Formats: sequence, C-alpha cells, structure tokens
Amino acid sequence: EIVLTQSPGTLSLSPGERATLSCRASQSVSSSYLAWYQQKPGQAPRLLIYGASSRATGIPDRFSGSGSGTDFTLTISRLEPEDFAVYYCQQYGSSPPHTFGQGTKLEIK
Amino acid sequence: EVQLVESGGGLVQPGRSLRLSCAASGFTFDDYAMHWVRQAPGKGLEWVSGISWNSGSIGYADSVKGRFTISRDNAKNSLYLQMNSLRAEDTALYYCAKSASYGYEYYFDYWGQGTLVTVSS
Repeated sequence: EIVLTQSPGTLSLSPGERATLSCRASQSVSSSYLAWYQQKPGQAPRLLIYGASSRATGIPDRFSGSGSGTDFTLTISRLEPEDFAVYYCQQYGSSPPHTFGQGTKLEIK
Repeated sequence: EVQLVESGGGLVQPGRSLRLSCAASGFTFDDYAMHWVRQAPGKGLEWVSGISWNSGSIGYADSVKGRFTISRDNAKNSLYLQMNSLRAEDTALYYCAKSASYGYEYYFDYWGQGTLVTVSS
C-alpha cells in the first residue's frame, strides 16, 4: 500500500501570500495518479487537481499542482480568504486504489 | 448539476447492521464508477469501497473487507453500502463520491454531503 505523508501539518499564512503544500509517497505513484482536494469546515471535499497538475473544472488558476514519482506539490500563488481550509492529497490507480494523505490545515496567520 | 444525496445513517449498537444509500442525479449514472469514503470525527479521509460502472469490479479497504458490501442499481441511479458487524471505529461521516470514469481506479470529481453513522451502545 502506498502511504502518503503531507507536510506541514499546519501552515499559517496571510492573505496574499504564496502557499506551498507537500505530499510525499512511500513509493512511486504510477502515471502521476495524484489528486488534491480542499475541504472547508462542515463541507464535503472538493476536487482541485488531478493527474498531479491538471486543474478540475472551475478551479481558479492560482491553484497549481506539480511533481512526479514520489514528490508532489500543491501551490496557491496568492491566497484568498476563501482558500483557508484543509487540503488532502490522494493517490489512485494502484492497489489498493485509493489512499489519502493525513491533510494539511492552511490557517490564517 | 451533479447531485449525490446520502441517507441511512444513524445510531446503531456494536455488532448490528446498517444500510446506506446514495441517490444520484445530474449525470448518466451507469457510465461511472462510484465510491464510499468516510471521515471519522476530527480525522482525515479514508476510502471505504468502490464499484465500477457495471458492478464488474469492486474493491474494499482492508478495514471493512468481509463486513461491508457495496452495490448499485443503475435502473434506480442508486449506490448502496451494507454494513454488518459494525464496530465503534466505524463511526464516521460517510460520503458518496462519483468517480471521474467508469473504473473505480480514478479520482473523485463530485461528493455528496455525507450521512453520519455512530456506532455506540
């Protein structure tokens, strides 16, 4: 089973700053089958990024994903107030097919 | 507009059973795999089970294998999760999620709002 480790656990930043979230896999993620989700309190997760770097429908271009193999990054170029939330990475395609990282909480500094 | 509406959650004693349902609308249900994902209170996301578009491929997390059964009724645009031998550690918000493709190996592009299952005596 591929284990995903996200860092940092909590990231404290101010609106307008750049956020960099990391997701490291215990073994190579095939075909960059890596997704990112955003979850706000009391809400269901929302898909942001799939295939490591493709933005989902309706996601602003300040969100970008990069990486391959075992190291992946979600970058939010300029934080808006609505971006403060918990972010999860997920690998898919291997067996078992779906594992999530433990999450990174992005909080307002 | 894609809508996924879960139901069937509630308070149940350890060892008992519960059946969750997910009513889907706004897309061609039988073109896509579907999943159940759970989130224990204050914790992260855990994939529970997935089923391909035609029920030909099914997968379970090790934590529920042998106790939970996923199924779907394409005629009713519905997804189900039969949960038997429930344990306290099964307490969670259970989300229904749509796969981005017909196979259950893909990421989830839409989620429901969840139904809460509490296992306690």
